[in-house]
Formats: sequence, structure tokens, C-alpha cells
Amino acid sequence: GIQVEQSPPDLILQEGANSTLRCNFSDSVNNLQWFHQNPWGQLINLFYIPSGTKQNGRLSATTVATERYSLLYISSSQTTDSGVYFCAVPQGGSEKLVFGKGTKLTVNP
Amino acid sequence: DADVTQTPRNRITKTGKRIMLECSQTKGHDRMYWYRQDPGLGLRLIYYSFDVKDINKGEISDGYSVSRQAQAKFSLSLESAIPNQTALYFCATSAGGVWWETQYFGPGTRLLVL
Repeated sequence: GIQVEQSPPDLILQEGANSTLRCNFSDSVNNLQWFHQNPWGQLINLFYIPSGTKQNGRLSATTVATERYSLLYISSSQTTDSGVYFCAVPQGGSEKLVFGKGTKLTVNP
Repeated sequence: DADVTQTPRNRITKTGKRIMLECSQTKGHDRMYWYRQDPGLGLRLIYYSFDVKDINKGEISDGYSVSRQAQAKFSLSLESAIPNQTALYFCATSAGGVWWETQYFGPGTRLLVL
């Protein structure tokens, strides 16, 4: 089945810094989602981005489907950005949404 | 009010007990999903349902069963709970028609099986 790899696994930043999180996938996809799981476990949709670039405030995401990767950019990071960021793609021909293992982000004040 | 709700939010139970986790949604979506998350891992799909008459097994359905009581309600049951079912459980929904559309997640249920 499709493999999803995220990097880096852990990232520690000072408040105000910028960061780039990467998601590689092993097969072509027609969907990709980025999620943020906050320290309380809540899972929040950030982007549905099968291709192209989207922006939402300080966050933006770019998916290059032909090269099988997606990037999540966080600018001017805040302590509330802390948590785990997951990307997920559908298993080809099925309803199974395959998640990467996540990037744990810690933003220090 | 939250679009996808889960009850209970936290549950402690003993090995061998039957337990039910409930999910309700007000988004009007046809498709609903149950996932579990284990520490350090992403989410894995347990069961999914396209409508009230459609139930499908996911990646890790052994030891679980589901019931789709209505379009808005999807319950997950552990018939005889075991300690390795200790996990964070999420319910999710998505609109019908195009199955790969965005999935929206509930707040999760933390389950501890002793």
C-alpha cells in the first residue's frame, strides 16, 4: 500500500521563527490533507490540498503531486502552534486514509 | 456547537467488558469513519460507512463492531475489551459523492482498558 513519510519527526522552534514540514508519499494521490493535533489531542483540519498552493493566515501548504510531496509552511510561529502535524492521503482505490507518523512541533516562548 | 461530537470523552474499563463509543454529527454528511490512534503513530482506520445501509471494514477491524443507527450516528463497540485496545479513538465524517473529500474529525475518546 501507499507509504507516507513525514519529516522531520521533531522540531523545536523559538516563537517567531518560520518552519517547513514535509510529507512524501509513495504513489500518486488525488487527495492530501494536513491536520494539526493540539496538545489536548484535538485533531483539526488545516488544508485539503491535492495539488497547488493554499494559504490560511500564517500557514500555507503546497502539494506537488507529480513529485509526490507536500510542504506545510508555518510563519511567525506561536506557542499555540505546538502539537503534532499529520499529513494523510487515501489508499488508492479504497476509502482508507493513510496517515504519516507526524511531525511533533514545540514552539517555545 | 461542534459539528462532530463523541461520547464519552474519556473512559476507563476492565478487560472483558463490553463498551460502546458513540459519534454524532450535524454536518449532514453521508460518510462516517472510526479511527484509532496509538502513541507515536498516525491514525488507523477501523470501520467506515457510506450510508446507513453500508458498513465496511478498515485496516484494523478485528475486535471491533459498528452500528450506523442513522445518517447522523455511528457507534463503535468493543465486545470484549482487551488492554491493547487502549488508545485514542476518533470519529470522522465526509460528504458523499466524492469519497476523497475532506474528512472532519470529532474531539476523540480516550479509552483505557485495565
